[in-house]
Order: sequence, then C-alpha cells, then structure tokens
Amino acid sequence: EMQLLESGGDLVQPGGSLRLSCETSGFTFSRHSMSWVRQAPGKGLEWVSTISGSGRTKHYGDSVRGRFTVSRDNTKNTLFLQVNSLRVDDTAMYYCAKVQDEYGDYPILDSWGQGTLVTVSS
Amino acid sequence: DIQMTQSPSIVSASVGDRVTISCRASQSISSWLAWYQQRPGKAPKLLISKTSSLGGGVPSRFSGSGSGTEFTLTISSLQPEDFATYYCQEYDTYSGTFGQGTKVEIK
Repeated sequence: EMQLLESGGDLVQPGGSLRLSCETSGFTFSRHSMSWVRQAPGKGLEWVSTISGSGRTKHYGDSVRGRFTVSRDNTKNTLFLQVNSLRVDDTAMYYCAKVQDEYGDYPILDSWGQGTLVTVSS
Repeated sequence: DIQMTQSPSIVSASVGDRVTISCRASQSISSWLAWYQQRPGKAPKLLISKTSSLGGGVPSRFSGSGSGTEFTLTISSLQPEDFATYYCQEYDTYSGTFGQGTKVEIK
C-alpha cells in the first residue's frame, strides 16, 4: 500500500522559512516524479512544484518560483520543500503527491498525502 | 499560462441524479486532462486521466469526455459518497493548472 506522510507545517511570521517533508513507502520512489500542491483555506487546489525521479529536473509555479525549493532524498524515500520568504497568502495545506507514470514529468497525481498546514501570520 | 474554467461552481442534486460538470481550457490541451474528487477534510483523489481513463478502483458511474478545450465529467447516477468537490487539471504543460472546482451538494 502506498503511503505519503507530510510533516513540517507550522505557524510562522511573514518573511520566515520552513522545511516541509514527505516520507513515502509502498512504491519505487526513485522512479516517480513527485509534486507539491497547496490549498488555501476554503479555496481550490494550486500546483506548486514537481521534481523528477532523479532530482535533476524541477518545475515551479509562478507564485513560488525563487522562494521555494523542491528536493528529494532517494535513499530515504523522502521529498522536501524548502519554503522561504513566506507571505500571508502562502497560508495553506501543503500536499505531496506521486506522479502516476514511472519516469513521467507531467503531474497526473495518483496518490496523495493528508497534508501539512502552513500558517503565515504575525 | 493555461487557464482552466469549470462550470457550474455548485451543483445541487439528489441521489440517483445524472450530474455533468464542464471544464474549459484557455487553449488546446489535446486530451491531457485529469479529474479529481475531494471530500471535505480529505486529500484529493484521482478519478480520471487522459480525459477518459478511469483511475484504479473508480466506479464506472464516473466517465469523462472531450478534447481540445472542452471537457466533461459525468456521474451517471449520483451516490451518497459522491457529494464532494471536483477539480479538473490540465497537464499539457508541466504546471498542472487546476480548475477552480465544482461542489456537488445535496439538493
């Protein structure tokens, strides 16, 4: 059974930083691109970032490019999202999700974690 | 950037009803469209990829159609567990833009 478990969300002041983690199991992690998707309270889904299985290719949404950095540790089956220069409008539930196709880059997301909440407020 | 627009924003329906949700892309995305279901307080779940391919374990009452810029999700006979919010998502580009969502609520 595939499992994805996010952690690292917290209450942080504007301008602050956090490192989100997503521990995975139940599939060959290194063969799959992984994505982060966020959802502001009461709002819709927003794709944030995708990283290839090797970690060499990374894509970011316009609203986070230059502030967020995605990475992965294939020896620990873990995905990360470093979030810097946080703004109030970054407040959201952050989900990690697995890309469906092995070695695929396009974000068809067939397995999701339960999310970790980031709240940015002074 | 590709924009995805869903309609309607809210659907009020009863158990057994046929429900149709539309999704329009701002430019052609061929068949590179997915649908997700999100129940309250839960993570999204992939229902359909490549416009019409059902995800694993997804009931056959769900179906998808369309191409280019116009797409449709149909629930042939609404069940109690189907009351949720549905999102379309393009993946013609790496950005995976979602629509704003359609909430299916009890009439």
